[in-house]
Amino acid sequence: DTAVSQTPKYLVTQMGNDKSIKCEQNLGHDTMYWYKQDSKKFLKIMFSYNNKELIINETVPNRFSPKSPDKAHLNLHINSLELGDSAVYFCASSQGPSGRASDTQYFGPGTRLTVL
Amino acid sequence: AQSVAQPEDQVNVAEGNPLTVKCTYSVSGNPYLFWYVQYPNRGLQFLLKYITGDNLVKGSYGFEAEFNKSQTSFHLKKPSALVSDSALYFCAVRGSGYSTLTFGKGTMLLVSP
Repeated sequence: DTAVSQTPKYLVTQMGNDKSIKCEQNLGHDTMYWYKQDSKKFLKIMFSYNNKELIINETVPNRFSPKSPDKAHLNLHINSLELGDSAVYFCASSQGPSGRASDTQYFGPGTRLTVL
Repeated sequence: AQSVAQPEDQVNVAEGNPLTVKCTYSVSGNPYLFWYVQYPNRGLQFLLKYITGDNLVKGSYGFEAEFNKSQTSFHLKKPSALVSDSALYFCAVRGSGYSTLTFGKGTMLLVSP
């Protein structure tokens, strides 16, 4: 009965490769997010989708492309991976429209990406 | 712009003693404040939030937080710390006119036996 799940948990790849991370939530939430946590544990929003529509794109390189096939899924595809992309990527979801500031965001377990 | 400050990188406390993890914020309009905990190699777990109403908010695992509007603070507290409380704690804020949640840099809590 996992609420927000991500696959894979670990991803090790070479520079220049393309990779995808998948996220699914079974909470019935309308909004999903991708966050990046760097080596200093700093968390930064990357994208937000509401009902399959992109709401937030926080100056992320266009090598990163989110895709939401339905409101329960938000995948992250990364092209031409660079060393600086190494981080932990967290998916999250919240109940209502992304404009509802009071909604709690629930996080997945994270995907640790290592680019060699 | 909205921002969160967690002034302590690390807080050390002995088991059984009370603990406080500090957080101050800056935001225009009404703040919505959150605390999350991250255990090693795990995702963030929601602890509690302040939306409106009573300034003392109670959350999971015996944690509580006090909203202080005049001091723009939202400190996390627990009356009696457990070794299992050792983790990284994040404070986050979202203003009513903002589209994103902004996190502090995190405070590592270490509870010694």
